[in-house]
Amino acid sequence: GAVVSQHPSRVICKSGTSVKIECRSLDFQATTMFWYRQFPKQSLMLMATSNEGSKATYEQGVEKDKFLINHASLTLSTLTVTSAHPEDSSFYICSATPGGYDEKLFFGSGTQLSVL
Amino acid sequence: DAKTTQPNSMESNEEEPVHLPCNHSTISGTDYIHWYRQLPSQGPEYVIHGLTSNVNNRMASLAIAEDRKSSTLILHRATLRDAAVYYCILRDVGRNYGQNFVFGPGTRLSVLP
Repeated sequence: GAVVSQHPSRVICKSGTSVKIECRSLDFQATTMFWYRQFPKQSLMLMATSNEGSKATYEQGVEKDKFLINHASLTLSTLTVTSAHPEDSSFYICSATPGGYDEKLFFGSGTQLSVL
Repeated sequence: DAKTTQPNSMESNEEEPVHLPCNHSTISGTDYIHWYRQLPSQGPEYVIHGLTSNVNNRMASLAIAEDRKSSTLILHRATLRDAAVYYCILRDVGRNYGQNFVFGPGTRLSVLP
């Protein structure tokens, strides 16, 4: 089946540093990728939708300058958490779809970010 | 936005069938109903999806009400590995920038040995 690879799986960083998370679709071209964050015992919250070659569309309340998303190719999207602070600590999950009205989502394994 | 409501939690005995309900009374005519499940510390995985007709695959069955305002995910024989949070999701095609999926709170399924 289709695979989405997400790295790193866990990252610990100091406050003020930037962290980049990669999301790759390994065996299909992802026209659209989604980024979610999830707090403990809560549901996934959609942060942004990115289409290859165009700017990401952010959900209301998500800071564009804080969470930089790049979808430079049909198989790679990156999320950079800039100047991370402890409140940015969360589980970040990417997902991808080959496109098409009926297509399902394939998810990465998630990245646990801890900001000290 | 089309939204879904699900029970917060459900319990089942191992090897018994499980029926997980989902209400989506504001569903639009072209919204697909998707189900995903998430194990602890993992990304969600696809379970099943459909539009109007009932659907079956190797993991589960999806029963969709005739008015499409509700659906039920059916696990025919629950195993301990089926313990997870199950999410019922609608494709939100009302947006003007491609596809997106909005997750509700989901149902936490516990399977008792």
